Amino acid sequence: GNSVTQMEGPVTLSEEAFLTINCTYTATGYPSLFWYVQYPGEGLQLLLKATKADDKGSNKGFEATYRKETTSFHLEKGSVQVSDSAVYFCALSDRGNQGGKLIFGQGTELSVKP
Amino acid sequence: NAGVMQNPRHLVRRRGQEARLRCSPMKGHSHVYWYRQLPEEGLKFMVYLQKENIIDESGMPKERFSAEFPKEGPSILRIQQVVRGDSAAYFCASSPGTQSYGYTFGSGTRLTVV
Repeated sequence: GNSVTQMEGPVTLSEEAFLTINCTYTATGYPSLFWYVQYPGEGLQLLLKATKADDKGSNKGFEATYRKETTSFHLEKGSVQVSDSAVYFCALSDRGNQGGKLIFGQGTELSVKP
Repeated sequence: NAGVMQNPRHLVRRRGQEARLRCSPMKGHSHVYWYRQLPEEGLKFMVYLQKENIIDESGMPKERFSAEFPKEGPSILRIQQVVRGDSAAYFCASSPGTQSYGYTFGSGTRLTVV
């Protein structure tokens, strides 16, 4: 079945450090890929998405490229801020399924220290 | 335009009681999804509904759990005879169509079973 695997957290970085959170997936067909962010006590917010191979999603300085050959969608940011501290979820949508059901990774907690 | 509204934000139930979780989708959204987040885990799909129809309930436990999305009013996730293992955060999302990149999540209901 379809699945998403993320690097384990927590990830602790100093402000202005470079961030990479790895995400790999297993899916039949051509899924859409997403990164969501969850701040403490809140719901999930869509951070960025990519709907086909080689697409690059970007938002708020975060980027991720849909790599079909390595089945990956790693999240990167060049210079993190304290306000980026949150839990990040990688997800896929198998467009072959009826509806827009999402399959999530287990989440990676990011903590950015001043 | 209000977002996805979930209530209550926090719900405490004793073992054996019933829990009713409500979700009002965004205006114009006719598709509702429920997800469960257990402690230290990612979100797991439970059920996908359109008005008056259950489209996909492949993630719903076989017993005690039910969901509805009536023609009028919010979507309801109902858990009968709750047990401690039902303690989790329950998130609702809505979308205007079947494409998952149109998702908007609510802030969740945190259920604690004592």
